[in-house]
Amino acid sequence: GAVVSQHPSRVICKSGTSVKIECRSLDFQATTMFWYRQFPKQSLMLMATSNEGSKATYEQGVEKDKFLINHASLTLSTLTVTSAHPEDSSFYICSAPYGTSDYNEQFFGPGTRLTVL
Amino acid sequence: GQNIDQPTEMTATEGAIVQINCTYQTSGFNGLFWYQQHAGEAPTFLSYNVLDGLEEKGRFSSFLSRSKGYSYLLLKELQMKDSASYLCAVSDSNYQLIWGAGTKLIIKP
Repeated sequence: GAVVSQHPSRVICKSGTSVKIECRSLDFQATTMFWYRQFPKQSLMLMATSNEGSKATYEQGVEKDKFLINHASLTLSTLTVTSAHPEDSSFYICSAPYGTSDYNEQFFGPGTRLTVL
Repeated sequence: GQNIDQPTEMTATEGAIVQINCTYQTSGFNGLFWYQQHAGEAPTFLSYNVLDGLEEKGRFSSFLSRSKGYSYLLLKELQMKDSASYLCAVSDSNYQLIWGAGTKLIIKP
């Protein structure tokens, strides 16, 4: 099956710093990747859709200047949390669809646990 | 609006059978997914239904009725490791996944 990796798996940072999270599709090309955020005991919340070679599409309520997304190649998308604050502490997960036009399964990265002190 | 409903929490006994229901209202339908998520981990794929009926895969089965906007995930011969959250997600007309809030399944000995 298709494999998606994420790095780092855990990060602890001070308030005000920026954190970059990488999402890679290891054995397939992904023109689209999705970034999710999950707070404890809640479901996945889609933040944005990352499109290779063009601007990301952000969900309502997600600040595009705070959560910078760059999809520079067909196998890499990055999410940068700028000027992170404690309320940004969360579990960030990326996914990439893989399959045919009739059936697309989402393959998830292992997630990144961000803690902002 | 788009909406997916599933129970918040369920409890079952080891070795028993449990059914987790999911109802949905979405703009378009391109399939329904069930994912399992253990605490602190990313979701893992369990099943996909796009046509009405039952899909069986080992101890897990998933059922879909498109006319009723309804699906269920059936888990048989429950094991302690099945304790997890089970997420129902629908692929809408844009192939974007709409997620339910998840059902936390607690397995007791």
